Amino acid sequence: AAGVIQSPRHLIKEKRETATLKCYPIPRHDTVYWYQQGPGQDPQFLISFYEKMQSDKGSIPDRFSAQQFSDYHSELNMSSLELGDSALYFCASSLVRVGGNIGELFFGEGSRLTVL
Amino acid sequence: GQQLNQSPQSMFIQEGEDVSMNCTSSSIFNTWLWYKQDPGEGPVLLIALYKAGELTSNGRLTAQFGITRKDSFLNISASIPSDVGIYFCAGHDYGGSQGNLIFGKGTKLSVKP
Repeated sequence: AAGVIQSPRHLIKEKRETATLKCYPIPRHDTVYWYQQGPGQDPQFLISFYEKMQSDKGSIPDRFSAQQFSDYHSELNMSSLELGDSALYFCASSLVRVGGNIGELFFGEGSRLTVL
Repeated sequence: GQQLNQSPQSMFIQEGEDVSMNCTSSSIFNTWLWYKQDPGEGPVLLIALYKAGELTSNGRLTAQFGITRKDSFLNISASIPSDVGIYFCAGHDYGGSQGNLIFGKGTKLSVKP
């Protein structure tokens, strides 16, 4: 079965540079989520999209932005990168259950961002 | 904000032993999800729970959604070396928005052959 696809898997950037991460959700899933996971930490919710509209916002810095396109893929744009942005970035997708419950989130393999 | 307390933080057990870990919340959740994560990989969904009192099994894994809706546990029976990893509980408050899946801090499981 198709899974969530993320690219690139690894990315190395300098401070103050920009980075873009891409996510292709599972076909027919209607919701995409972005999470950030620092070393030894639990995943922290950044932002989500439901049917291409921003649904919820978590601890996403103002330097970051995201969008979901007509083909349902999503991109996370990170500008003015800081050393503390080094982390694993996960995309997840789900299909909202009847009644609006969140459903099962399926995660991609993640994109490891290293800021030097 | 809401917090999940997951325990224990780590476990070091002998192959063949049973394992139990749990999560508690200060508020009610409508969904509990249990994930396993290997180093550098994405979390893999193990079990999803949607109803208070629900008990669900997936092979050697069993998880339950607490009656109070503020807790959940995960049991692993007859552990094997490939069970090694970090296990996360995650909860969703339907009163919040769709994207608000909150994770516990994880339980790191080590299995000695």
